Amino acid sequence: NAGVTQTPKFQVLKTGQSMTLQCAQDMNHNSMYWYRQDPGMGLRLIYYSASEGTTDKGEVPNGYNVSRLNKREFSLRLESAAPSQTSVYFCASSEVRPDGYTFGSGTRLTVV
Amino acid sequence: DAKTTQPTSMDCAEGRAANLPCNHSTISGNEYVYWYRQIHSQGPQYIIHGLKNNETNEMASLIITEDRKSSTLILPHATLRDTAVYYCLGGTSYGKLTFGQGTILTVHP
Repeated sequence: NAGVTQTPKFQVLKTGQSMTLQCAQDMNHNSMYWYRQDPGMGLRLIYYSASEGTTDKGEVPNGYNVSRLNKREFSLRLESAAPSQTSVYFCASSEVRPDGYTFGSGTRLTVV
Repeated sequence: DAKTTQPTSMDCAEGRAANLPCNHSTISGNEYVYWYRQIHSQGPQYIIHGLKNNETNEMASLIITEDRKSSTLILPHATLRDTAVYYCLGGTSYGKLTFGQGTILTVHP
């Protein structure tokens, strides 16, 4: 089915390790987003990419970097993981029109 | 992005209509009202959006007041599977969306 695919679905990291969360969409959407959701909380925007070749900081960008590899793919990198980055990470995409976002199923990251 | 205010939680009996309110008094003229829901720990699911007029789709109806300061999402015949967190957001057609805490809707048998 068409949609947003995130990998991996689960990951455990040790403090200080690095990793990249992958996101790909096959809907030819221009915009892509990375959110994090802590337990019992709403989603907070980390970074977004309004179009291929552009990225901008969201509400909580510290400790993260992103790459818009091409129109389909938008990756999120943790250079030196910290326990405070334990969260569920959601990727989303949208077209530049009023219709809503399509979200992936999430990556559950635990940093110990 | 417009700031929205929603009740923390609501209950609804199965088969009855669920009416979820949202206040967005600071919404600007070019911002849409969006509704999403999140079932358990899945990714949020888009439900509906509107600008000025009331909207209806296969999932729900959206009623926006004339002054656009508030709206109501209506699930006409709630089922147990509609138990979820419902988010009301304000945003433009091109910008990012900011999620708040949402309303936890519990549908009871």
